[in-house]
Amino acid sequence: EIVLTQSPGTLSLSPGERATLSCRASQSVSNNYLAWYQQKPGQAPRLLIYTASSRATGIPDRFSGSGSGTDFTLTISRLEPEDFAVYYCQQHVTSFSFGQGTKLEIK
Amino acid sequence: QVQLAQSGAEVKKPGASLKLSCKASGYSFTSFNMHWVRQAPGQGLEWMGIINPSDGATTYAQNFQGRFTMTRDTSTSTMSMELSSLTSEDTAVYYCAKDGNRGNFDYWGQGTLVTVSS
Repeated sequence: EIVLTQSPGTLSLSPGERATLSCRASQSVSNNYLAWYQQKPGQAPRLLIYTASSRATGIPDRFSGSGSGTDFTLTISRLEPEDFAVYYCQQHVTSFSFGQGTKLEIK
Repeated sequence: QVQLAQSGAEVKKPGASLKLSCKASGYSFTSFNMHWVRQAPGQGLEWMGIINPSDGATTYAQNFQGRFTMTRDTSTSTMSMELSSLTSEDTAVYYCAKDGNRGNFDYWGQGTLVTVSS
């Protein structure tokens, strides 16, 4: 099973700043089936990015994904107040698994 | 619009079994795989299993094999799950999710809170 490790665990930033979240896989996600989700308290996760860099329907273009192989990044170019949440990466190679999450909090 | 409507909250005793359902609407139910994902209080997301609604084929995460079953009813566009031998560690919010055909989960149900307590 592929283990995903996200860093940092918590990221403290201010609105308007740029956020960079990392997701590292224990083995290559060779098919690039790497997705990112946002989750706010009391809500279901929301798909942001799929196949490493494709934005899901309705997702603002300040969200972007990049990477390949074992190293992937979610970037939020200019943080809006509604972006403060927990973010998860997720892979599907032979099975499915999630990273442990990065909490993006207001500084 | 795609909607996944889950059954309501449950309270179970240790050793009991749990059955949850997820009714899909707004798309062709048999054209997309479906998943169950759970989240323990304050914890991350854990994938449980996948079902192909077209033929009923399933694959379960290793952690749940032997006590977890997914089924579907194409006549009502409903997916169900059953988890047996519950312990307090099964206390969680359980989500159903639609597969986006690219290894992702593009739509999620609202979640069902399950509490296992004596």
